[in-house]
Amino acid sequence: DQQVKQNSPSLSVQEGRISILNCDYTNSMFDYFLWYKKYPAEGPTFLISISSIKDKNEDGRFTVFLNKSAKHLSLHIVPSQPGDSAVYFCAASDRDDKIIFGKGTRLHILP
Amino acid sequence: EAGVVQSPRYKIIEKKQPVAFWCNPISGHNTLYWYLQNLGQGPELLIRYENEEAVDDSQLPKDRFSAERLKGVDSTLKIQPAELGDSAVYLCASSLDRGTETQYFGPGTRLLVL
Repeated sequence: DQQVKQNSPSLSVQEGRISILNCDYTNSMFDYFLWYKKYPAEGPTFLISISSIKDKNEDGRFTVFLNKSAKHLSLHIVPSQPGDSAVYFCAASDRDDKIIFGKGTRLHILP
Repeated sequence: EAGVVQSPRYKIIEKKQPVAFWCNPISGHNTLYWYLQNLGQGPELLIRYENEEAVDDSQLPKDRFSAERLKGVDSTLKIQPAELGDSAVYLCASSLDRGTETQYFGPGTRLLVL
């Protein structure tokens, strides 16, 4: 049973527009959420995170929103750039510090 | 600063053969992780070390997988014997400490078992 779900395997967005990647989770004990970005043949790299006591965290073009009541978080990238084309993993951890990853969403930024 | 180093990058073996992967974490990072990533899936934790102690190996198939982190620095992950279903990418990551510390991933070792 997947505890972290990324229901969109892929997403295509025009360059300059906003990219919105969604993630749902089932475990109410998760208290920390992360997004990782992965290019082909490389390991995932940390992008942005959010604690469960917050509902928004912003870092440059990247913003993560957390809706605890809906057990939903989203990553907004604006404006989208060609270098943003990658696979994005949503991840969550609980007090045991074990991180559970979603299956990932492949983002294509179109010229 | 050098990142997490893994070798080999690619490995092709026949089933029932042994295989080993090596990881050198970022200097000073106490926590080391081995993950398994199947095609189309996210990374799944196999084992986590705090220094030289394995603190979470609940997902490690202990009948054929083993790992060690001697002296709390480098680590090796071994499969013996390998099965067809072990074909995957094996990722190593490290962090300064446990908890919400950022994990830094290596490039992974892509294993193909024939």
